[in-house]
Amino acid sequence: DVKVTQSSRYLVKRTGEKVFLECVQDMDHENMFWYRQDPGLGLRLIYFSYDVKMKEKGDIPEGYSVSREKKERFSLILESASTNQTSMYLCASSLPLNRGSYNEQFFGPGTRLTVL
Amino acid sequence: SQQGEEDPQALSIQEGENATMNCSYKTSINNLQWYRQNSGRGLVHLILIRSNEREKHSGRLRVTLDTSKKSSSLLITASRAADTASYFCATPTTTSGTYKYIFGTGTRLKVLA
Repeated sequence: DVKVTQSSRYLVKRTGEKVFLECVQDMDHENMFWYRQDPGLGLRLIYFSYDVKMKEKGDIPEGYSVSREKKERFSLILESASTNQTSMYLCASSLPLNRGSYNEQFFGPGTRLTVL
Repeated sequence: SQQGEEDPQALSIQEGENATMNCSYKTSINNLQWYRQNSGRGLVHLILIRSNEREKHSGRLRVTLDTSKKSSSLLITASRAADTASYFCATPTTTSGTYKYIFGTGTRLKVLA
């Protein structure tokens, strides 16, 4: 059974802390994604990666960075957490996305981050 | 604004009734996907419909696509309490040469037992 796991379901951090959210997939997928989900705003793409050490900014990359040193692992980093980064963070993976392929995304269970 | 927007935002029905939710999008697409999200969990892929298809079925799910109106609908027949979830459409877009999917804001479905 395919699986995407995230390091924490719930996380509470203080303003200014450096926060690491980890995501691991066991499907040998090339693509990995980080989204944040807020009420009324749906899912918004923060960053994605289409290969090891490759990354692309999504729609809302400000305040975030990512790391992909191994194919199965994609980390989201909040360099200095702020209260407006309180949100649900969802990781996903997929086979390559392009006009000729319609691959579905597989999501992890999410991490609910609260920044105080 | 979002590429895909679902309507209604929330829907409450009795068990056994049918639930219909709609998705509208702005630009031409070659496929559209529907996902379900149970409360506080990740999204699960339900069904994909290609631009050359008008209708697709999967179990109690029926999806239609009208490319002339840039809209899709998801019908869940004979709903069950376990169908209570949020439902999202996802449509592809290309930004700066990168192909990715945009998710709508979702329809929250509540099925009352």
